[in-house]
Amino acid sequence: DGGITQSPKYLFRKEGQNVTLSCEQNLNHDAMYWYRQDPGQGLRLIYYSQIVNDFQKGDIAEGYSVSREKKESFPLTVTSAQKNPTAFYLCASRERGQRGNTIYFGEGSWLTVV
Amino acid sequence: KQEVTQIPAALSVPEGENLVLNCSFTDSAIYNLQWFRQDPGKGLTSLLLIQSSQREQTSGRLNASLDKSSGRSTLYIAASQPGDSATYLCAVRMDSSYKLIFGSGTRLLVRP
Repeated sequence: DGGITQSPKYLFRKEGQNVTLSCEQNLNHDAMYWYRQDPGQGLRLIYYSQIVNDFQKGDIAEGYSVSREKKESFPLTVTSAQKNPTAFYLCASRERGQRGNTIYFGEGSWLTVV
Repeated sequence: KQEVTQIPAALSVPEGENLVLNCSFTDSAIYNLQWFRQDPGKGLTSLLLIQSSQREQTSGRLNASLDKSSGRSTLYIAASQPGDSATYLCAVRMDSSYKLIFGSGTRLLVRP
């Protein structure tokens, strides 16, 4: 089945650690996104990539880093510089170049600082 | 700066009732507007997408309308069922940008 796979579902981070969240899609989509969701709030954009080897900062990129070496993969690293990383992280993808195209989301990853 | 607001934050209705969820945005120069459903601890599922040139979209018991000039969209759910219980989010895409700007959602509970 085509879709977006995020892993792990649950992740615990110690203070000062970097952690990486995985996002893989087999939809052949060019554009991929990382969003953060805090309880009772909407989604905020961290990073997005419209094509391989290219990505742009979203609204809350500080303390995060990404790479886009392959079309199907867009991993997100939460660095120790992110002071409040506990949240629900969602990866998404969409086709490019079509007006009104739909965005597809993965099932999300919960990150907790311990 | 575009801001998207959803009111109410939470809604509880008895099964079978028709209901309306509201979404408002401050900048009317949108590319499209999308409604999503989110179950607890899960990702988002797209329900309806309305392009800026359209007035409404329908899918089954769902109908979404768009009034760009007033900066409003509504999601109408007919004959609500307990399975409709979820959080509903709206998001706008601005011209020349691939970014979506989300509202904070309306948490819906349909009581049996």
